Amino acid sequence: TQTVSQSDAHVTVFEGDSVELRCNYSYGGSIYLSWYIQHHGRGLQFLLKYYSGNPVVQGVNGFEAEFSKSDSSFHLRKASVHWSDSAVYFCAVRGNNYAQGLTFGLGTRVSVFP
Amino acid sequence: GPKVLQIPSHQIIDMGQMVTLNCDPVSNHLYFYWYKQILGQQMEFLVNFYNGKVMEKSKLFKDQFSVERPDGSYFTLKIQPTALEDSAVYFCASSKTGGAREQYFGPGTRLTVL
Repeated sequence: TQTVSQSDAHVTVFEGDSVELRCNYSYGGSIYLSWYIQHHGRGLQFLLKYYSGNPVVQGVNGFEAEFSKSDSSFHLRKASVHWSDSAVYFCAVRGNNYAQGLTFGLGTRVSVFP
Repeated sequence: GPKVLQIPSHQIIDMGQMVTLNCDPVSNHLYFYWYKQILGQQMEFLVNFYNGKVMEKSKLFKDQFSVERPDGSYFTLKIQPTALEDSAVYFCASSKTGGAREQYFGPGTRLTVL
């Protein structure tokens, strides 16, 4: 089985700041990693994913994430946040068996102040 | 982007009653999922459905749960009978294929069992 840990429950930043959201996982085999964003009252929106290849992946709205096998991590970053980035961010992992569905972390709430 | 709709957004029922949660997935998607999120806890995978069959289910998918998608209509989750511990937000998701394709999520249905 796989587990996901998001160490920060809440992150507060100012507009224009950079932000890094941490995600660590445990799983022994090939892994599929993704990040989702959830604005208040809405469904999860896909940001980006990693399965193989370049460990740095680009997503929508300037987000990127870097996979590290040695650290078992998939941290999400953005160089300059906007107030509209205020939301809850979920890291998700899945093994090779796609039918098992995604395993989510608890989420990190990001509050962006002007 | 592609949207997954869920009806209703909120449902309040008495324990022991039957409830059906409806999901309108993205039109050309073939894989369908249900997830459950109890307040303050992680979102957890319930079931994956493809080609008219349950492909995989978790231990949370109790015998009282069933899913179907008759003739390409709504993808439904039925709980009969409901229990107090079924109170949660239920998220539907769909993806075009299995494998590394991202899942698109609906906004969730908040189910309250009294």
